[in-house]
Amino acid sequence: EAGVTQFPSHSVIEKGQTVTLRCDPISGHDNLYWYRRVMGKEIKFLLHFVKESKQDESGMPNNRFLAERTGGTYSTLKVQPAELEDSGVYFCASSQSAGTKLFFGSGTQLSVL
Amino acid sequence: QKEVEQNSGPLSVPEGAIASLNCTYSDRVSQSFFWYRQYSGKSPELIMSIYSNGDKEDGRFTAQLNKASQYVSLLIRDSQPSDSATYLCAVADYGGSQGNLIFGKGTKLSVKP
Repeated sequence: EAGVTQFPSHSVIEKGQTVTLRCDPISGHDNLYWYRRVMGKEIKFLLHFVKESKQDESGMPNNRFLAERTGGTYSTLKVQPAELEDSGVYFCASSQSAGTKLFFGSGTQLSVL
Repeated sequence: QKEVEQNSGPLSVPEGAIASLNCTYSDRVSQSFFWYRQYSGKSPELIMSIYSNGDKEDGRFTAQLNKASQYVSLLIRDSQPSDSATYLCAVADYGGSQGNLIFGKGTKLSVKP
């Protein structure tokens, strides 16, 4: 069974550009989460989808970040326009039921220059 | 602000020794605690969860929880070079959605042959 997959694995963009990260959760997992690790800091929660609905987006840093999960399958996280402080590793995770074991993807390393 | 604190390490132990990893958390009402292992460039992988005071053993791993002291630890017995990784302590955010985890920065463990 495929795990959580994230695309791309690395992205290098210039300040002001737009980047879209994609996450494919494990098939059948209704719960999908985005987390971010900025260099030198801890992994931080961004938001939680249950199917296509945003359950909790309390960790989203500002309105330059837009997450979607149309159809309740894969999810995208768009950063527009990107700023230098957005650089970091963006992790996606999924779980079958809320509160159960989270399976993480390998992350997308985003570098904003 | 809710925080999870860990020593960043590196913690170096010889092969066969016991590795002891510690974590404290700030939110007194936290109920769920997790240890993740992350190899360099890979996804975090859940290795232990603990919800009640006391010890929980799984193979070579033992998690210990003391809610009164707001302290969680992970013991790795008979440490192997393959255990060399960063160990992340995570606490479920009591006020957040299920899966909203608060992570520590991680402790880097190095097991020397």
